[in-house]
Amino acid sequence: DIVMTQSPDSLAVSLGERATINCKSSQTVLYSSNNKEYLAWYQQKPGQPPKLIIYWASTRESGVPDRFSGSGSGTHFTLTISSLQAEDVAVYYCQQYYTTPYTFGQGTKLEIK
Amino acid sequence: QVQLQQSGPGLVKPSQTLSLTCVISGDSVSSNSAAWNWIRQSPSRGLEWLGRTYYRSKWYFDYAVSVKSRITINADTSKNQFSLQLNSVTPEDTAVYYCVRAPELNWFDPWGQGSLVTVSS
Repeated sequence: DIVMTQSPDSLAVSLGERATINCKSSQTVLYSSNNKEYLAWYQQKPGQPPKLIIYWASTRESGVPDRFSGSGSGTHFTLTISSLQAEDVAVYYCQQYYTTPYTFGQGTKLEIK
Repeated sequence: QVQLQQSGPGLVKPSQTLSLTCVISGDSVSSNSAAWNWIRQSPSRGLEWLGRTYYRSKWYFDYAVSVKSRITINADTSKNQFSLQLNSVTPEDTAVYYCVRAPELNWFDPWGQGSLVTVSS
């Protein structure tokens, strides 16, 4: 199985400041045949299911604010929130869909400092 | 807009069978461009993919090794729904269970509302 490891486990950032969450996969999630990274990011607020925010490592889902961006390749990926808003408080997960079993990171809890 | 509505018991006794159903609106369970998944979430195991079904001229079923001996996912085209059965449950199966669509066997979107299932006598 591909193991997804996120860092940090929790993060406190001031409103308007940048938040950066890292995700490392135990093996590549890049399909060389199409040059796509099979990596997604989700946001989960209390009492709600996870919500897709990024796919193909860097493509923002429709309706997601442009302060959210994804980057990285191979085995190292990053989710960046450029200017933290109060509504961004949540747990964030990375997930690989390169191969089954699909696996998730353990989550990063983002709070306001 | 695809929506998934889950239903099923919230309490299951140990050794019995957990059964959940997910009704699809806005798409078809026999779509050639989607897969239908079950994922669970618990404090101890995090988000865990359990399995999926999808139709590509015939039905396919994939299951996580951790539950492969106990799980069945079925698709019901007449009701446009899919279901999860997990046999011989133990308290470790206590979790919030989600049904989830995967477009083109890729990321997960959307998710059902979630069903808390507690395994307890």
